[in-house]
Amino acid sequence: KAGVTQTPRYLIKTRGQQVTLSCSPISGHRSVSWYQQTPGQGLQFLFEYFSETQRNKGNFPGRFSGRQFSNSRSEMNVSTLELGDSALYLCASSLEGGNSPLHFGNGTRLTVT
Amino acid sequence: QQQVKQSPQSLIVQKGGISIINCAYENTAFDYFPWYQQFPGKGPALLIAIRPDVSEKKEGRFTISFNKSAKQFSLHIMDSQPGDSATYFCAARKPGNMLTFGGGTRLMVKP
Repeated sequence: KAGVTQTPRYLIKTRGQQVTLSCSPISGHRSVSWYQQTPGQGLQFLFEYFSETQRNKGNFPGRFSGRQFSNSRSEMNVSTLELGDSALYLCASSLEGGNSPLHFGNGTRLTVT
Repeated sequence: QQQVKQSPQSLIVQKGGISIINCAYENTAFDYFPWYQQFPGKGPALLIAIRPDVSEKKEGRFTISFNKSAKQFSLHIMDSQPGDSATYFCAARKPGNMLTFGGGTRLMVKP
């Protein structure tokens, strides 16, 4: 089985711009979660989607949003980018959420200048 | 509030030795405790996980020890190899699917 696929791998954006990141979960997985990884704050939960509905949300401002499509693929969007948004954004999928293991992709490295 | 505390931040072990990483949690609602291994440029990869009704779980050279009363759990890597050099994260999950991660331990295994 193919793993979690995230595109693009690298992105460079300017402050004030917006960005969309994409995630394709493992085939058959219906839950998709997003995490932000930075050297200072570590790994932090952004949100989780299951069957196209946001089921959980972390403590991030409203500039961070996401969605899930009927084929379980997910996108996250960050608007009005700030320098502090520079991070590795990780997508993870699981079969159903709750009791099934989380499998991560290799992330999208976002640099905001 | 840091809900999962991980130590040490970095660890150097000789090849063949035992690597031990510790984590402590605060929230008794956590019901699932995975460990992840991350290499540079890669996402975290699930290593091994445990539920609080079990005190120990072993998979190959990796063992989780879990102490529910102390709210602590640890990862032991037996016969550590240079290929084990990576960053290790403990995590805890409440019912639902949100993981809270520890701060990570950078392990270096010297040949």
